[in-house]
Amino acid sequence: KQEVTQIPAALSVPEGENLVLNCSFTDSAIYNLQWFRQDPGKGLTSLLLIQSSQREQTSGRLNASLDKSSGRSTLYIAASQPGDSATYLCAPVDDYKLSFGAGTTVTVRA
Amino acid sequence: DAGITQSPRHKVTETGTPVTLRCHQTENHRYMYWYRQDPGHGLRLIHYSYGVKDTDKGEVSDGYSVSRSKTEDFLLTLESATSSQTSVYFCAISDRAGSGDSYNEQFFGPGTRLTVL
Repeated sequence: KQEVTQIPAALSVPEGENLVLNCSFTDSAIYNLQWFRQDPGKGLTSLLLIQSSQREQTSGRLNASLDKSSGRSTLYIAASQPGDSATYLCAPVDDYKLSFGAGTTVTVRA
Repeated sequence: DAGITQSPRHKVTETGTPVTLRCHQTENHRYMYWYRQDPGHGLRLIHYSYGVKDTDKGEVSDGYSVSRSKTEDFLLTLESATSSQTSVYFCAISDRAGSGDSYNEQFFGPGTRLTVL
């Protein structure tokens, strides 16, 4: 069974700082990995999908890396803003199924 | 945003009553999923569908059944609701393309908050 760990569980930073969110998973036989954002009381918004053949994926201020062999992915958010405050979830994809970590809750202070 | 709606958005029911949650998509995606989200457990897959009338179990399927008679609709039924099924339920869709590394993203609906008293 895929086990997903996200560190840290919570993070509070002043506006403008760069954020580094870590995700580790136990089974490296994955197809892809997806990063999501979840606002309180809301659904999940897909941020990035990294295919297993890629090592990085970028979208605006977001950059995600994937090291499948070591079972790690990192999400970088540059120049954080208060609007980035949310819970961030990573989900390695094993064929059809996503396995979720507990998430990292980010607070960006103005 | 992907065209996914869930109904109802909130429901309070009593133990032992049947409950059906509906997921509707307008994207014509082949795959549909039901997850539940609970504090301390994260998101867990209940059931999924890989086509009309084709469904399979996820990791927490006990007490739940599903049906998919049309591409756009995926129903989740709690035959006899229990308090342990109080949760937030999310539907997701994807349109898996190709094989191997090629795979499209999963998109999530807004969720249904279910309370079983």
